[in-house]
Amino acid sequence: EVQLVESGGGLVQPGGSLRLSCAASRFTFSSYWMTWVRQAPGKGLEWVANIEQDGSEKYYVDSVKGRFTISRDNAKNSLYLQMNSLRAEDAAVYYCAAGKLSHLYWGQGTVLTVSS
Amino acid sequence: QSALTQPASVSGSPGQSITISCTGTSSDVGGYNYVSWYQQHPGKAPKLMIYDVSNRPSGVPDRFSGSKSGNTASLTISGLQAEDEADYYCSSYTGSSTVVFGGGTKLTVL
Repeated sequence: EVQLVESGGGLVQPGGSLRLSCAASRFTFSSYWMTWVRQAPGKGLEWVANIEQDGSEKYYVDSVKGRFTISRDNAKNSLYLQMNSLRAEDAAVYYCAAGKLSHLYWGQGTVLTVSS
Repeated sequence: QSALTQPASVSGSPGQSITISCTGTSSDVGGYNYVSWYQQHPGKAPKLMIYDVSNRPSGVPDRFSGSKSGNTASLTISGLQAEDEADYYCSSYTGSSTVVFGGGTKLTVL
């Protein structure tokens, strides 16, 4: 069974930084675009960023441009999201998902709390 | 990158059919045949139900169907069952390799 397991969430102060990780298994990770999607408490899904198979193309939602960086390590079957200058509005469950235009595989999510 | 517009809630009785709409613009829903639909139960990760407007992944019941007309996509669930009660989200390609989600629709099975 395909697995995506996110980690790295936690409590961070406004202005702080955090790196999320997503470990993939049981599918050919290097063949898929990968995506981060977030969901603020009680809110809907928000597409955050995606990355091409070899990492050469990366795209972001406007609200995180210049603050978040998506990356991947195909040798480790891992996806990352470096988050800097965090704001209260970044607090959410962050999901990693496989695919560019539709997402068949999802992780269980990791929770980011931004508070002083 | 404005969210697609979905009704906040819909409801139906077991066995009935319901339709959830997803309205965008010619720059997203109307411009591409890359609309997806996701089902999300409380506390769970989303599950892909429809991709590329009307295609079902393996394992998704054929009670779920998708369509599109102009800038509006629709998800229809026929033969409504209790386990269909969940939140549903549409998403669309917006060009430039980016995606936008709808605000979500809460489906209540009466």
